[in-house]
Amino acid sequence: KAGVTQTPRYLIKTRGQQVTLSCSPISGHRSVSWYQQTPGQGLQFLFEYFSETQRNKGNFPGRFSGRQFSNSRSEMNVSTLELGDSALYLCASSLKVGMNTEAFFGQGTRLTVV
Amino acid sequence: AQSVTQLGSHVSVSEGALVLLRCNYSSSVPPYLFWYVQYPNQGLQLLLKYTSAATLVKGINGFEAEFKKSETSFHLTKPSAHMSDAAEYFCAVTHNAGNMLTFGGGTRLMVKP
Repeated sequence: KAGVTQTPRYLIKTRGQQVTLSCSPISGHRSVSWYQQTPGQGLQFLFEYFSETQRNKGNFPGRFSGRQFSNSRSEMNVSTLELGDSALYLCASSLKVGMNTEAFFGQGTRLTVV
Repeated sequence: AQSVTQLGSHVSVSEGALVLLRCNYSSSVPPYLFWYVQYPNQGLQLLLKYTSAATLVKGINGFEAEFKKSETSFHLTKPSAHMSDAAEYFCAVTHNAGNMLTFGGGTRLMVKP
């Protein structure tokens, strides 16, 4: 069974540009969450989607947006990139929604903003 | 709001020694708690989870954690450290009825030969 696939693995962008990251969850999983990981702030929650609906959103500016498609694949977009957006972006998929539901993480996309 | 605190950003042990990584939680309702491990340039892998079924939870790779309500703790232990255990470990708690995880700051475990 294939795991969570995130593409691309590495990305270098210039300040002011926009970027789109992709996440394909485990087959059959309908919940996708996104996290940002930085040395300074640690792991921070960005969004959670279930059946194409955003269920929760973290405390990030409106430049960060996401969506989920009918096949459960998800994308997140960051517009007007800032140096501080450099981070490892992790996607997690879950079979369903529930407090004790296991989240399976992808290997992440390493974004560097120069 | 629910949160977790990991005491000690770096822990160093000798190979074969006891591993103890500390996690304390703050929650107004019974929490669901998790321990994840992250190897360099990798995503997170679930080690174990507490879901109120049993206070002592056994996970993968010989790790276990004990939920202590009186101490609001969920410390991770392993009797004998192996070189391959060197990684960063995260304690996390879920919120409300969703899958949103709040993570502690992480503890980097170093294992000396």
